Amino acid sequence: DGGITQSPKYLFRKEGQNVTLSCEQNLNHDAMYWYRQDPGQGLRLIYYSQIVNDFQKGDIAEGYSVSREKKESFPLTVTSAQKNPTAFYLCASSDRGASNYGYTFGSGTRLTVV
Amino acid sequence: AQSVAQPEDQVNVAEGNPLTVKCTYSVSGNPYLFWYVQYPNRGLQFLLKYITGDNLVKGSYGFEAEFNKSQTSFHLKKPSALVSDSALYFCAVRGAGGGNKLTFGTGTQLKVEL
Repeated sequence: DGGITQSPKYLFRKEGQNVTLSCEQNLNHDAMYWYRQDPGQGLRLIYYSQIVNDFQKGDIAEGYSVSREKKESFPLTVTSAQKNPTAFYLCASSDRGASNYGYTFGSGTRLTVV
Repeated sequence: AQSVAQPEDQVNVAEGNPLTVKCTYSVSGNPYLFWYVQYPNRGLQFLLKYITGDNLVKGSYGFEAEFNKSQTSFHLKKPSALVSDSALYFCAVRGAGGGNKLTFGTGTQLKVEL
């Protein structure tokens, strides 16, 4: 079955530590997205990529970094510069050429600072 | 800029009663509108979309939504609610000229009680 896989499902980070969240899709989608979800704030866009080797900052990119070396993969690194990283992180993808389609979402990674 | 408003943080309804979850939008040009549902600790699942055509759109699990251009609304409805419909619902919009980025509302928590 085609879909998006996020791993791990739960992740614990110590203060000052960088962690990387994985997102892999086998849908042959061009575009991929990272969102952060906090209670009562909906989804906030961190980074997105419309094509391999290119990505743009979203609304809350500070303290995060991404790469897009392969079409299938869009990992997100939460750096020590992100002062409040505890949240639920969602990865999504879409077919860039078909704007009448929505996103397909992964099942999310819950990151907790310990 | 495109935006979505979901004016109710929570909607409570008795099982068997009709439900409505409200959504209004602002976008340049013709809108592409979407509803997603999220269960706890899961990613978002696609429910339905409006692209063009009939203003009443039918989707998964008996849900439907009515597009009203004059009121810039896209309310989600179901004739008879089930306890299993209890979840977090997100409305999203994309403008015809806005690339592939969706803008999401802040979400409405639906609680269906016996």
